[in-house]
Amino acid sequence: EVQLVESGGGLVQPGGSLRLSCAASGFTFSSYWMHWVRQAPGKGLVWVSQTSPNGRTTIYADSVRGRFSISRDNAKNTLFLQMNSLSPEDTAVYYCSRGAGNYYGIDIWGQGTTVTVSS
Amino acid sequence: QSALTQPPSVSGSPGQSVTISCTGTSSDIGSYNHVSWYQQPPGTAPKVTIYEVSNRPSGVPDRFSGSKSGNTASLTISGLQAEDEADYYCSSYTTKSTWVFGGGTKLTVL
Repeated sequence: EVQLVESGGGLVQPGGSLRLSCAASGFTFSSYWMHWVRQAPGKGLVWVSQTSPNGRTTIYADSVRGRFSISRDNAKNTLFLQMNSLSPEDTAVYYCSRGAGNYYGIDIWGQGTTVTVSS
Repeated sequence: QSALTQPPSVSGSPGQSVTISCTGTSSDIGSYNHVSWYQQPPGTAPKVTIYEVSNRPSGVPDRFSGSKSGNTASLTISGLQAEDEADYYCSSYTTKSTWVFGGGTKLTVL
């Protein structure tokens, strides 16, 4: 079964840092683009970042570029999101998701991990 | 990158059809057929319902269909069922190699 399981969310103070992880299973992780998408409480989905199968290409939304860093460990089938200089506006559920292999888009989503930025 | 524009809500009675629009620009929807639609029931993760404008993943009923004209994509759900009640989001690839989502539409089955 294809599965994505996020972890690492929690409560952090403004200006702080947090590292999210996403454990992938049930597919050849190293063959797929991977994404992070977030959803603030009661709000819509917002794309955050994506990385190529080998991790050499990374792309970010304007709102997080320079503060967030996406990376992956293909040997451990794990995707990461390092988040620095966090602000209350970053409070959201963060979803790890898989880029579809045969079309442009996201085909698999994790259940999400909650990040709360508050003093 | 501004979000794609969707109506905040739509509603319909069981058996009826509803259409949700998604308006972008020439930098996203207007440039590519890389438009997807996602269904998100309350408290759950999104699930792809339509990809590449009009394709349905296996397991998605053929009551769901998609189309595109210019900078606007549309999702039509025919033969509405109670289980279709959810939030629906469109998304598109952009000319900056990023992705953009719509603001979401809440579908209520009356």
